[in-house]
Amino acid sequence: KNEVEQSPQNLTAQEGEFITINCSYSVGISALHWLQQHPGGGIVSLFMLSSGKKKHGRLIATINIQEKHSSLHITASHPRDSAVYICAVASGTYKYIFGTGTRLKVLA
Amino acid sequence: DAGVIQSPRHEVTEMGQEVTLRCKPISGHNSLFWYRQTMMRGLELLIYFNNNVPIDDSGMPEDRFSAKMPNASFSTLKIQPSEPRDSAVYFCASSLSYSYTFGSGTRLTVV
Repeated sequence: KNEVEQSPQNLTAQEGEFITINCSYSVGISALHWLQQHPGGGIVSLFMLSSGKKKHGRLIATINIQEKHSSLHITASHPRDSAVYICAVASGTYKYIFGTGTRLKVLA
Repeated sequence: DAGVIQSPRHEVTEMGQEVTLRCKPISGHNSLFWYRQTMMRGLELLIYFNNNVPIDDSGMPEDRFSAKMPNASFSTLKIQPSEPRDSAVYFCASSLSYSYTFGSGTRLTVV
């Protein structure tokens, strides 16, 4: 079993839909990142969380430390949100464990 | 700030040739990471530098891979000799505390 599990692996949505991507982890962590990677593109850090909730535009990220679970929500999804979303947990001061990613496609 | 700058963006080389990938981290960041991304294995940490010193190179696949950070503004990842199984996207990232920035990556193809 992977130490970081994401679900779903693939997701197709219609423009405007509310989207949720989940990340569960089995190790103790000091921080969790949500990363976004567009096809053929670089990797962008969307959020860094150690507790609670963060919001940036249409994106919301939450983390429940007790349940070892984080969610990334996208409100009013748009085709430009189509990308791979990766959950990465920091198990120490620098070492990150990466989920396998959720491939999101938003249709116009 | 221009972010983390990697070069080249794409590299195609023949098996057996030496390949050098370059990275300029964000000024002020004290940590630098080299990652490899493949479809099969996702993102793998190759090596981690802190204050220009290699701290963890346990992810470096074998002796064909080497990395240096001669100063705070430059790092290289070298593969010699290259093999087709080294084909991947190589990312450099720099950080200060948990503020993390990736470069755009170098797509390496070894034929």
